[in-house]
Amino acid sequence: GQNIDQPTEMTATEGAIVQINCTYQTSGFNGLFWYQQHAGEAPTFLSYNVLDGLEEKGRFSSFLSRSKGYSYLLLKELQMKDSASYLCAVRDSNYQLIWGAGTKLIIKP
Amino acid sequence: ETGVTQTPRHLVMGMTNKKSLKCEQHLGHNAMYWYKQSAKKPLELMFVYNFKEQTENNSVPSRFSPECPNSSHLFLHLHTLQPEDSALYLCASSQEVGDSYEQYFGPGTRLTVT
Repeated sequence: GQNIDQPTEMTATEGAIVQINCTYQTSGFNGLFWYQQHAGEAPTFLSYNVLDGLEEKGRFSSFLSRSKGYSYLLLKELQMKDSASYLCAVRDSNYQLIWGAGTKLIIKP
Repeated sequence: ETGVTQTPRHLVMGMTNKKSLKCEQHLGHNAMYWYKQSAKKPLELMFVYNFKEQTENNSVPSRFSPECPNSSHLFLHLHTLQPEDSALYLCASSQEVGDSYEQYFGPGTRLTVT
């Protein structure tokens, strides 16, 4: 079966750095996405990785290792507005997105 | 502003009712999707339309019936639902199905079946 695993919840301090991990087992791989979803709102696109390595976008970076079936989202200089759920999704060989259950990130002052 | 709108935002319906959810995208995209989001569960893909043609139906019960009259509009018709169908229903669109196209989501319809 296809499976995406990510921690259910994480807590971090304002101004700090946090890393949210995602491991996947899918039938084929055609890219990995990270989305942010604030409570009661729509998921919004953060990043896309299809090749191994690190993609940096301002305070957010995303890393991919296809051989390990592993990705992480790195958030730096955390702000209170970063409190949200972070969803990992993998596009499989049929170009369907397989989603993780999301990681709820709580930022404390 | 995501460019994808959904109505209604909240819906309470009985198990014998018939209702419809509406999604409209203003992004010029050719693919549209319906997802179900339940608490602490992964997003479940329900239906996919690419250039108005349904390309995916992920074993969704027949009490959910999609309709895509054009590339900008998507409906989800609901009838004789069960309490376990209570969830957030999200609509999304993308340029096309496949490749690196990211999906843009609407705010969702919070559905409660009583």
